[in-house]
Amino acid sequence: AQKITQTQPGMFVQEKEAVTLDCTYDTSDQSYGLFWYKQPSSGEMIFLIYQGSYDEQNATEGRYSLNFQKARKSANLVISASQLGDSAMYFCAMSLNFGNEKLTFGTGTRLTIIP
Amino acid sequence: SQTIHQWPATLVQPVGSPLSLECTVEGTSNPNLYWYRQAAGRGLQLLFYSVGIGQISSEVPQNLSASRPQDRQFILSSKKLLLSDSGFYLCAWSLHRRGTQYFGPGTRLLVL
Repeated sequence: AQKITQTQPGMFVQEKEAVTLDCTYDTSDQSYGLFWYKQPSSGEMIFLIYQGSYDEQNATEGRYSLNFQKARKSANLVISASQLGDSAMYFCAMSLNFGNEKLTFGTGTRLTIIP
Repeated sequence: SQTIHQWPATLVQPVGSPLSLECTVEGTSNPNLYWYRQAAGRGLQLLFYSVGIGQISSEVPQNLSASRPQDRQFILSSKKLLLSDSGFYLCAWSLHRRGTQYFGPGTRLLVL
């Protein structure tokens, strides 16, 4: 069974600084997808970025990038030039390409941006 | 563009009462649909998913059920709510199997 681990329950970062949110995963499958979602206080889960296990380059979406290290089974989210609006819960998730439909989520990291 | 709606936004129900949460998707056809539950301060747990009308797969056996009466409508139900059913319920859709899932605004359910 797959598992996602997020070891940082909370982080405080100064505005305009870069921040890295850690995510490690565990699966014996070779084909899988990794996702990051943002959940503001309103509760909606907002998709941020996706990385496929066979993608050779790290995914980037605007200020978000995914630092994918397959050998270490890590998929850290990097947010450049943080903004006050980045304050939220952040969840790492994984799906198996040849498994069931389930997205397996980590327990999340609460990010607070300090002005 | 695609949008996903959930209602009600919040709900307070007594133990033993029935439940019906609705989710609809606009702007796409034959989406995959999902129901998740998030307990306070925790990640999401998949409850049900559907790849088509009338096709429901259950991930967690419990007193909840799901139905998909129309292509873009997904309903979560219960005949008798338990205290442990309290939580934040999120509906999601994807274009194809194992594709990126996009979530609705959620329903906060409190069972007293």
